[in-house]
Amino acid sequence: GAGVSQSPRYKVAKRGQDVALRCDPISGHVSLFWYQQALGQGPEFLTYFQNEAQLDKSGLPSDRFFAERPEGSVSTLKIQRTQQEDSAVYLCASSSDPGAQETQYFGPGTRLLVL
Amino acid sequence: KQEVTQIPAALSVPEGENLVLNCSFTDSAIYNLQWFRQDPGKGLTSLLLIQSSQREQTSGRLNASLDKSSGRSTLYIAASQPGDSATYLCAVTFGGGGYQKVTFGTGTKLQVIP
Repeated sequence: GAGVSQSPRYKVAKRGQDVALRCDPISGHVSLFWYQQALGQGPEFLTYFQNEAQLDKSGLPSDRFFAERPEGSVSTLKIQRTQQEDSAVYLCASSSDPGAQETQYFGPGTRLLVL
Repeated sequence: KQEVTQIPAALSVPEGENLVLNCSFTDSAIYNLQWFRQDPGKGLTSLLLIQSSQREQTSGRLNASLDKSSGRSTLYIAASQPGDSATYLCAVTFGGGGYQKVTFGTGTKLQVIP
C-alpha cells in the first residue's frame, strides 16, 4: 500500500479483555516500531523489529504486552488482561533503513479505550 | 535518562505571523533530530530531518536548526497559515543504538487564527 495502515482504528475493551492491534507497514520496509501515546503526551517507544526479529522490547510496560512480526511484514501488538491505564493511542511506524538514516513513516494509530 | 522537552506546550498566533517552536534535549550525543506534525486523530507526518552533522534544514516555509552543543533545536515557521494548526513534535534519535530508537517531546499545540 501507499502508507502504513493500522486496524482497528478504534477499540473499546472492558477491563480484563485481551486485544490485538494490527499494523501493515509499507511494503519492503525492514524496520517496524510500536509506540504508545497517552493523551497530551508524545509517543513513547514500545518495541522494535528488524524483519521478523524483535531486537528491542525494552519499552513494553509489562508482560501483558506482547508483539510479533512472524513473516517480517505485518505486525500484531497484543495486550492481555487490559487495564484502564492501557488506554492510549498505539502508533506503528516503519522505515526502509535498519539504521538511523531515514525517517519513520507512521500509521494513523489505534485508539484504545479500556472501560 | 535521555529526555526531550518542548516549550511552549501551546501557542496561539494570528495568521501571517512568523513563529518559533523550541526543543531541548539532555544528551548531545545524538544521531539525528526530526520535527513531526500531528493532526487530531491522525498519525505523524515527518516535516524535517536533521542529521547530527547538519546545522539546519529547510522545506518551504519551515526551517529547523540544530545546536548539539547546547542541546537545542528550533522550528521556524514563516508567514503562518490556519492550515499550520496542529501539534508539532520534536523527536531525537540518541546515538549508539544503531537503529532509530526515537525519544519524543510532549509537543507544542499550535493554533493559527484567521
